[in-house]
Amino acid sequence: EAGVAQSPRYKIIEKRQSVAFWCNPISGHATLYWYQQILGQGPKLLIQFQNNGVVDDSQLPKDRFSAERLKGVDSTLKIQPAKLEDSAVYLCASSLDQKDTQYFGPGTRLTVL
Amino acid sequence: AQKVTQAQTEISVVEKEDVTLDCVYETRDTTYYLFWYKQPPSGELVFLIRRNSFDEQNEISGRYSWNFQKSTSSFNFTITASQVVDSAVYFCALSTPGTGANNLFFGTGTRLTVIP
Repeated sequence: EAGVAQSPRYKIIEKRQSVAFWCNPISGHATLYWYQQILGQGPKLLIQFQNNGVVDDSQLPKDRFSAERLKGVDSTLKIQPAKLEDSAVYLCASSLDQKDTQYFGPGTRLTVL
Repeated sequence: AQKVTQAQTEISVVEKEDVTLDCVYETRDTTYYLFWYKQPPSGELVFLIRRNSFDEQNEISGRYSWNFQKSTSSFNFTITASQVVDSAVYFCALSTPGTGANNLFFGTGTRLTVIP
């Protein structure tokens, strides 16, 4: 069974530029999550989707971050415009349903210069 | 509020030694889940174990074992006869799915280095 796929694996941009990350969850998983992991810290939830609806986006900085999961499968996370403090690894995870174990993808390492 | 504390920032052991990684959690919910994930240098978080708050039985899986004690709010992880491949950052995490959301609250991680 294929795991969670993410792309790109690495991205370097300058501040004030835009960037987008893509995630494809494990087949059949209804719940999808985006986490931000700053160097030396544990991951922190940005947003949780159940199918194509948002369950929790309370920690998403909505002035610059947006995410969508239009068809209830793939998801895109966007940052516009990026700030230096957005440098982090962005992890996507999926679970069969909302109370199930989350499985993580390899992450996208973003560097903002 | 939910909180997970991993007081050990870094641990180094010599191969074949046993090592225990500590995890202390805080929550007011009576139903919760505890997890351990491994993050090797490649960066991917690898799921190791999930326990629910009603099951305090310790668990063993090969060289790995977990000790869950509600009385001390701890969920410690022991690796027996450590190997170089065990070198990674290990995260303890907590979720309280009662509200419908399934947010994982992570500790700050413990970096384990196994020296050959």
